[in-house]
Amino acid sequence: IQLTQSPSSLSASVGDRVTITCRASQGINSYLAWYQQKPGKAPKLLIYAASTLQSGVPSRFSGGGSGTDFTLTISSLQPEDFATYYCQLLNPYPLTFGGGTKVEIK
Amino acid sequence: EVQLVESGGGLVEPGGSLRVSCDASGFTFSVYSMNWVRQAPGKGLEWVSSISSGGDYIYYADSMKGRFTISRDNAKNSLYLQMNSLTDEDTAIYYCARGSAAANKGYDYWGQGTLVTVSS
Repeated sequence: IQLTQSPSSLSASVGDRVTITCRASQGINSYLAWYQQKPGKAPKLLIYAASTLQSGVPSRFSGGGSGTDFTLTISSLQPEDFATYYCQLLNPYPLTFGGGTKVEIK
Repeated sequence: EVQLVESGGGLVEPGGSLRVSCDASGFTFSVYSMNWVRQAPGKGLEWVSSISSGGDYIYYADSMKGRFTISRDNAKNSLYLQMNSLTDEDTAIYYCARGSAAANKGYDYWGQGTLVTVSS
């Protein structure tokens, strides 16, 4: 199963609403997670089971979708949100990550 | 506080072998699945391997099958990745990450990573 993220990069301003898409090559129910990675740091889990917010993650982050099409939405982009975001297949094996979406400052 | 600390990275020649380790603390290691994820310089994340809490279920990415071996020692709270027949394409930061008993919960804690460089 392959995961295709789009766009690969985007430019946005503080306060913007941003949506990133992850498409699976076949249905995966809700076996999807989203991560944020900043330069030189390990990834951070944001969302699991497609739409469940990880403890401690701000509520401006939300996940949606099931089957083959998924979204990560940041409702109001904050300065600390500029980073690269990855989706991850959680089942079945072999697992895989999407190619990443770099969110840059406009 | 949950901590995952990788070690064992370094420079290795093509065709060589290396074992990286991950020492865990701050949680009951033996009840969690564990995972290795790597990231080549300037590239995205790549899932490498996963092992169940008791070590009885093991999975590998296709490109690593037969070359890499994941293992764990629950008495030592440690995770390992033995890497053989290394090529320059294996050059990456190797992260260990904590999973869960449920398949759908993602990796909630990650180490800082250890850099493996394959070069002559």
